Amino acid sequence: EVQLVESGGGLVQPGRSLRLSCAASGFTFDDYAMHWVRQAPGKGLEWVSGISWNSGSIGYADSVKGRFTISRDNAKNSLYLQMNSLRAEDTALYYCAKVAAEFYYFDYWGQGTLVTVSS
Amino acid sequence: EIVMTQSPATLSVSPGERATLSCRASQSVSSNLAWYQQKPGQAPRLLIYGASTRATGIPARFSGSGSGTEFTLTISSLQSEDFAVYYCQQYNNWPPVTFGGGTKVEIK
Repeated sequence: EVQLVESGGGLVQPGRSLRLSCAASGFTFDDYAMHWVRQAPGKGLEWVSGISWNSGSIGYADSVKGRFTISRDNAKNSLYLQMNSLRAEDTALYYCAKVAAEFYYFDYWGQGTLVTVSS
Repeated sequence: EIVMTQSPATLSVSPGERATLSCRASQSVSSNLAWYQQKPGQAPRLLIYGASTRATGIPARFSGSGSGTEFTLTISSLQSEDFAVYYCQQYNNWPPVTFGGGTKVEIK
C-alpha cells in the first residue's frame, strides 16, 4: 500500500524558515517524480514544486521561486521542501504527491502538513 | 502559464441526477488533463487521467471527455458520497502544472 506521510509543519513567524518532509513507502520511490501541492484555508489547490526521480529536473511555482527548495533522498525514501523567507500567503496545508509514471498527474497524495505563517 | 477555468463554481444537484462539470484551458493541453475529487478534511483523490481514463477503483458513473481546451466531467447518477469539490489539472506543460479553481457539487 502506497503511503505518503508529511511532517514538519507548524506556526512560524514571517521571514523565518521551515523544512517539510514526506516519508514514502509502498512503492519504489526512486522510480517516480514527486511534487508538493498546497491548499490555503478554504481555497483551491496550488502546485508548489516538483522533482524528477533523479533530481535532474526541478520546477517551482513563480510564487515560491527563489524562496523554496525541493530535494529528495532516495536512500531514505524521503522528499523535502525547504521554505525560507516565509510570508503570510504561504499559510496552507502542504501535500506531498506522487506522480503516475511519466505523466505529471498525481495518483497518490499524503494527508498534508499545515504551515501557518503569522506573527 | 496555462490557466484552467472551471465552471460553474457551485453546482446544486439532487441525488440520482446527472452532474456535468466543465474545465477550460487557456491553450491546448491535448488530452493531458486529470480530474480529482476532494471531500472536506481529506486529500484529493484521482478520478480521471488522460481526459477520459478512470483511475483504479473509480466507479463507472464518473466519465471524462474532451481534448484540446474543453473538457467535461460527468457524474451520471449522483450518489451521496459524490458531493464534494472537483478539480481539473493540466499536465501538458511543466513547470508548472496548473489546477482549476474547483467546482463544488452540493445537494439540491
